[in-house]
Amino acid sequence: SAVISQKPSRDICQRGTSLTIQCQVDSQVTMMFWYRQQPGQSLTLIATANQGSEATYESGFVIDKFPISRPNLTFSTLTVSNMSPEDSSIYLCSVPSAGPNYGYTFGSGTRLTVV
Amino acid sequence: GIQVEQSPPDLILQEGANSTLRCNFSDSVNNLQWFHQNPWGQLINLFYIPSGTKQNGRLSATTVATERYSLLYISSSQTTDSGVYFCAAFKTSYDKVIFGPGTSLSVIP
Repeated sequence: SAVISQKPSRDICQRGTSLTIQCQVDSQVTMMFWYRQQPGQSLTLIATANQGSEATYESGFVIDKFPISRPNLTFSTLTVSNMSPEDSSIYLCSVPSAGPNYGYTFGSGTRLTVV
Repeated sequence: GIQVEQSPPDLILQEGANSTLRCNFSDSVNNLQWFHQNPWGQLINLFYIPSGTKQNGRLSATTVATERYSLLYISSSQTTDSGVYFCAAFKTSYDKVIFGPGTSLSVIP
């Protein structure tokens, strides 16, 4: 299955600043997904990122707050902009494991704390 | 849309005990996956199991798609099994994944 390298693993940021999270996959994948996990909660999809097109955002998430880049088939970034303490969460990227019928693989996550 | 429920929400086990975690999902789900999130936040894939039964060491899972539920069995539990167990459902391999609320497991020595 695909292997994902996600950076940074954790960060503490000042409110009002931005943080960019990177995910590098060891194989080419058409679609990458970005999730947020707020403290004590389950995972919620932020957006789907296809190479060569604008990301598709879920209800409640907007591009100005969570801009996504997908410059090629192995890499994507998620930026959390103008952060507030409510953005403190774990952020994870995900890709299909190995084509159809193998489920999904997740990055190791970025634990973000906004102070 | 897809609905995913899990029970129980919390579970405390003595080391060595067995447990069964349940996941109910709505129709239109064709794929199901079980994950373990360890205390460091890492999400580990346990099983991709749209139907049938799979086993991996002390863990096994069964999905009965026609009745829309899946079970995760943990035998001879160890403290390293602690964490949150999520089931996640999706229609096709390139659809978004809907996660259940999770079962928080604590295994005490």
